Amino acid sequence: SAVISQKPSRDICQRGTSLTIQCQVDSQVTMMFWYRQQPGQSLTLIATANQGSEATYESGFVIDKFPISRPNLTFSTLTVSNMSPEDSSIYLCSVEVRRGRGEQFFGPGTRLTVL
Amino acid sequence: KQEVTQIPAALSVPEGENLVLNCSFTDSAIYNLQWFRQDPGKGLTSLLLIQSSQREQTSGRLNASLDKSSGRSTLYIAASQPGDSATYLCATSGTYKYIFGTGTRLKVLA
Repeated sequence: SAVISQKPSRDICQRGTSLTIQCQVDSQVTMMFWYRQQPGQSLTLIATANQGSEATYESGFVIDKFPISRPNLTFSTLTVSNMSPEDSSIYLCSVEVRRGRGEQFFGPGTRLTVL
Repeated sequence: KQEVTQIPAALSVPEGENLVLNCSFTDSAIYNLQWFRQDPGKGLTSLLLIQSSQREQTSGRLNASLDKSSGRSTLYIAASQPGDSATYLCATSGTYKYIFGTGTRLKVLA
């Protein structure tokens, strides 16, 4: 398994501002992912954070809105840009510890409220 | 495109009951299936991972089965406790992507 931390745990932001969420893992991992969970909904994959290259975004998500950094094998950030109330969600990072096994472990999440 | 559905959406049972949560998926070409637990406002806790070549996995009072050919998985919880109250999510894995089900919100009454 892996121990994953996220900062901040929650935030309340104003419309039009941006928030950067940090994800730190206690061991080196190949695969890191960012998910969004809108109120009352299940999880939707935003992107795969690739170390040393641009993130791979899923349909409906774009880099200008959700820029992602992955400077090394233990850390990633997700920025939610130009926020609107529709961005109010829980944002979660996850990692795959053993490549190929496909088992994912999740951070505690960041609860974002946009006013 | 993979679709994952969980039935029922919500379930309320008295303490001590054995219960079954269901997960259905449309594309049987999966690498594995994972069951998670999510407490309100929290992240996900991994419960069980079933590889595509396996039929079931057990951990304590939990038992998960997988039938790829019929596109179904079940999570069996024995002797339920109030502490089991949470939302249970299943997710299928295929080519680095996880597709999550809609979740079953479980409440175990003391």
